[in-house]
Amino acid sequence: AQSVAQPEDQVNVAEGNPLTVKCTYSVSGNPYLFWYVQYPNRGLQFLLKYITGDNLVKGSYGFEAEFNKSQTSFHLKKPSALVSDSALYFCAVRAANSGNTPLVFGKGTRLSVIA
Amino acid sequence: KAGVTQTPRYLIKTRGQQVTLSCSPISGHRSVSWYQQTPGQGLQFLFEYFSETQRNKGNFPGRFSGRQFSNSRSEMNVSTLELGDSALYLCASSFSSGDSYEQYFGPGTRLTVT
Repeated sequence: AQSVAQPEDQVNVAEGNPLTVKCTYSVSGNPYLFWYVQYPNRGLQFLLKYITGDNLVKGSYGFEAEFNKSQTSFHLKKPSALVSDSALYFCAVRAANSGNTPLVFGKGTRLSVIA
Repeated sequence: KAGVTQTPRYLIKTRGQQVTLSCSPISGHRSVSWYQQTPGQGLQFLFEYFSETQRNKGNFPGRFSGRQFSNSRSEMNVSTLELGDSALYLCASSFSSGDSYEQYFGPGTRLTVT
């Protein structure tokens, strides 16, 4: 079975500081990993995904994520946080070549960037 | 391209009633998935449709059903509404089903059951 853990319900960071939102996963075989962001009263927006290749994936709005197979992690990072980055972040996983299995989402991490 | 649209955006219903929510995917996308989002449970997968066929179903009672039309538009129906059905219902479309395709979400329909 596939699962995702986002160990922090809330992350607080000062504007201009680097931010990290953590995600660990469990799948059989290789994973496809995704990050989404949700702003208030909005649907989820796709940020980036890891399929294969370079472990460092760059996405929208200056975000990047690092895939670490040995630690089964896919942490989301940004070098310098903005107040406008404050939102709810979701990590999701699907096993590669698993056919039609649905995406499994983590519970979400609320990021607050303080000016 | 226009994004995923969902109608209505807000809905208030009474226990026991039924409701139909609509989702129009991004043009060219053939897969539509539905999710229920609540503060306590997070995002829960309801079902996925691809080319008018249900590909996957989550762990929800039979009161929750859906369908997809030939133009890829999708509807979900909830019958005999319960207070616990109050949630944000999100629709997501993708080019195809499964694997590496990312999903694009609509703004959601906020359902309140009183």
